[in-house]
Amino acid sequence: NAGVTQTPKFQVLKTGQSMTLQCAQDMNHEYMSWYRQDPGMGLRLIHYSVGAGITDQGEVPNGYNVSRSTTEDFPLRLLSAAPSQTSVYFCASSRPGHGKETQYFGPGTRLLVL
Amino acid sequence: GESVGLHLPTLSVQEGDNSIINCAYSNSASDYFIWYKQESGKGPQFIIDIRSNMDKRQGQRVTVLLNKTVKHLSLQIAATQPGDSAVYFCAERASSNTGKLIFGQGTTLQVKP
Repeated sequence: NAGVTQTPKFQVLKTGQSMTLQCAQDMNHEYMSWYRQDPGMGLRLIHYSVGAGITDQGEVPNGYNVSRSTTEDFPLRLLSAAPSQTSVYFCASSRPGHGKETQYFGPGTRLLVL
Repeated sequence: GESVGLHLPTLSVQEGDNSIINCAYSNSASDYFIWYKQESGKGPQFIIDIRSNMDKRQGQRVTVLLNKTVKHLSLQIAATQPGDSAVYFCAERASSNTGKLIFGQGTTLQVKP
């Protein structure tokens, strides 16, 4: 298993540009989530999904959209990038209700918005 | 609201000593907690977890203690090694149905040779 994969690893955007951060997992996990990590702030939940076709907002959803058309993929879309969205983004997945609700994290995407 | 926090942003220990990293949480209804380790440039990695019906759980060189009375969680690392240098996060499960986790801000563990 490749686990949780994220692309790209690093991205530079100009203010107002849009882009999609890709996340995929091959563990057949129902639950997937997106976090952003800023210095001194820990990880903050952006959006999450408990299964294909179901998404919900986390702690800091503004400026981001998600969709979950398949179990494997959970892309995060920045509609109009702002410098405040400069951060490291982590995707995670887990199988709630199966004894170990550990979230497996991807390697992260570093985003710089100029 | 819910929050999970760590007491110290940085902890410096001598190689071979034991490390104790602390975490306070505010939601008394939380029933599941996880400790993660994050090395520089990588995603968080699961270390150990504990459910609220337990007060102690041991792994390899790590022990998690849970005190529900004062809503306190700690991670003990025995015989700390240079490879233990990382940022450690505690996380609290916000809802058993969604798997949603709330993370603390993290403690940086520095191991001195």
